[in-house]
Amino acid sequence: EAQVTQNPRYLITVTGKKLTVTCSQNMNHEYMSWYRQDPGLGLRQIYYSMNVEVTDKGDVPEGYKVSRKEKRNFPLILESPSPNQTSLYFCASSLDGHYEQYFGPGTRLTVT
Amino acid sequence: GQNIDQPTEMTATEGAIVQINCTYQTSGFNGLFWYQQHAGEAPTFLSYNVLDGLEEKGRFSSFLSRSKGYSYLLLKELQMKDSASYLCAVRDRDRDDKIIFGKGTRLHILP
Repeated sequence: EAQVTQNPRYLITVTGKKLTVTCSQNMNHEYMSWYRQDPGLGLRQIYYSMNVEVTDKGDVPEGYKVSRKEKRNFPLILESPSPNQTSLYFCASSLDGHYEQYFGPGTRLTVT
Repeated sequence: GQNIDQPTEMTATEGAIVQINCTYQTSGFNGLFWYQQHAGEAPTFLSYNVLDGLEEKGRFSSFLSRSKGYSYLLLKELQMKDSASYLCAVRDRDRDDKIIFGKGTRLHILP
């Protein structure tokens, strides 16, 4: 089944404790992206990647890192999480960035 | 820069028709997407318009007017399962083809 998977689905952590949210797609898509979704603010792009080893900042990249060492994986790293990073995070992939995106199920992160 | 506007909430009745509008201001328009998102779930793709006109897909249709910076999503024969948020998203050529999402319209369907 074609899909985008994210892990974990739910995470509660404390300020400053490094964490990684994994994202994987099995559709051989070149384009992958991370979004956060907050009430009243909609989906905002954090980082995106057009292909392996190519990553670019989205609209809200501060406090986040990403890597794209393999085509299928695009992990999101929070080196030192803060409470303002409490949010619902979605990973998405697309054939080449010009077509529709397929979203993962979301990761609900709470930073206390 | 760019700005995407959609109504925050709308209410309609089961079996009726509803039109959700989206207006945008962007210097390098290069396509518009509509997504559906049920509460607590991931967005799912509904439609894509890059040329003016109407695209029809079953009960859902999407319209685009590039000269007016305007799109709408038309939902016919509404069903209770259509209760969801509908997200308008614009691709901006002048921002490396980034896709910018509006804040979404929450649609409530009444029986």
